[in-house]
Amino acid sequence: KAGVTQTPRYLIKTRGQQVTLSCSPISGHRSVSWYQQTPGQGLQFLFEYFSETQRNKGNFPGRFSGRQFSNSRSEMNVSTLELGDSALYLCASSEGTGGAYGYTFGSGTRLTVV
Amino acid sequence: DQQVKQNSPSLSVQEGRISILNCDYTNSMFDYFLWYKKYPAEGPTFLISISSIKDKNEDGRFTVFLNKSAKHLSLHIVPSQPGDSAVYFCAASEAGGTSYGKLTFGQGTILTVHP
Repeated sequence: KAGVTQTPRYLIKTRGQQVTLSCSPISGHRSVSWYQQTPGQGLQFLFEYFSETQRNKGNFPGRFSGRQFSNSRSEMNVSTLELGDSALYLCASSEGTGGAYGYTFGSGTRLTVV
Repeated sequence: DQQVKQNSPSLSVQEGRISILNCDYTNSMFDYFLWYKKYPAEGPTFLISISSIKDKNEDGRFTVFLNKSAKHLSLHIVPSQPGDSAVYFCAASEAGGTSYGKLTFGQGTILTVHP
């Protein structure tokens, strides 16, 4: 079974630009969550999508948005990039129940804003 | 407000000995606790979980203990191996509602196992 695939692996953008990151979940998984990892804040939840609907959102500004397609693939978008958006962005997929079954993470996209 | 805390940034252990990683939490609504292992430039890998209705769960060399009254859990690795060297994250989830898909992570503990 293929794992969670995130593209691209690395990205360098300039302040003020926007960026789109992609996540393909494990086949059959309908839930996709996104996290931001930084040295100062650790791993923080961005949002979760299930069957194309956003069910939950973390405490991030509106510049961070996402969507999910009918095949469960998900994208997240960050507009008007700031230096502080430099981070490792991780997505995780699950069957939807989470909890004991855990979430399978992708390898992440390393975003550097210059 | 950090709801999940790992107070030890690092832990160094000799190969073959026991590694004990600790985690404290403040939110009584957490119903599952999970441990993840992470290597640099990779995503976290799920290790083991425990329901809030249990006090122990074992999987091979890994055992997680939960003390609900103390809001404390620990991960025991016995015996420790050099390949266990990584960052270990404690995470927690709440049941349904507005907590769908959300894991709350601790800051992580760097485990180094010396040969």
